[in-house]
Amino acid sequence: GEDVEQSLFLSVREGDSSVINCTYTDSSSTYLYWYKQEPGAGLQLLTYIFSNMDMKQDQRLTVLLNKKDKHLSLRIADTQTGDSAIYFCAERINSGYALNFGKGTSLLVTP
Amino acid sequence: EADIYQTPRYLVIGTGKKITLECSQTMGHDKMYWYQQDPGMELHLIHYSYGVNSTEKGDLSSESTVSRIRTEHFPLTLESARPSHTSQYLCASSGDRVDEQYFGPGTRLTVT
Repeated sequence: GEDVEQSLFLSVREGDSSVINCTYTDSSSTYLYWYKQEPGAGLQLLTYIFSNMDMKQDQRLTVLLNKKDKHLSLRIADTQTGDSAIYFCAERINSGYALNFGKGTSLLVTP
Repeated sequence: EADIYQTPRYLVIGTGKKITLECSQTMGHDKMYWYQQDPGMELHLIHYSYGVNSTEKGDLSSESTVSRIRTEHFPLTLESARPSHTSQYLCASSGDRVDEQYFGPGTRLTVT
């Protein structure tokens, strides 16, 4: 299937904003998702965006979608040490129900 | 809050043993999934089910098998465990409208 690409690592200072980027190649994607995985745990759904939206904001999280460039980003405002985790981008391809996950971005927040 | 459970959380077992990883959800979801997560973090879909008596293999070939006799239960079985099966196994079920997937806490399997 098509690949979802993410950078592997991101390090930010506590209190700064974090921006995690994702690119996808399947133009038929209908929903795009952001998941968070803490050590030793399963994936937690953070937010999702429908493909006809440009932006979605939920408290400290802002999702931006550029369909033309097939680019998705997750901005975390006022990043805290508790935000340190692996963040996965995923797409739902119109032709099926299974999600296509990226390889995950490991976010490290330093004091 | 999602209600999806996996047992055991951790399992260390010898080569050749038969094991069953349990997954259950109380949300009434029809769709359920098993993923294998390697040390490099990438998730690989190994099995999925769209409902009772429906099971399909995922993108990654796996020697494991699954069954779906009840909506809430989706166990994964390895008939003869090998060290190459050492991994984290994540179970998920998906909701109705936007197909968001809810994940269990995972089973960390080590085969010695």
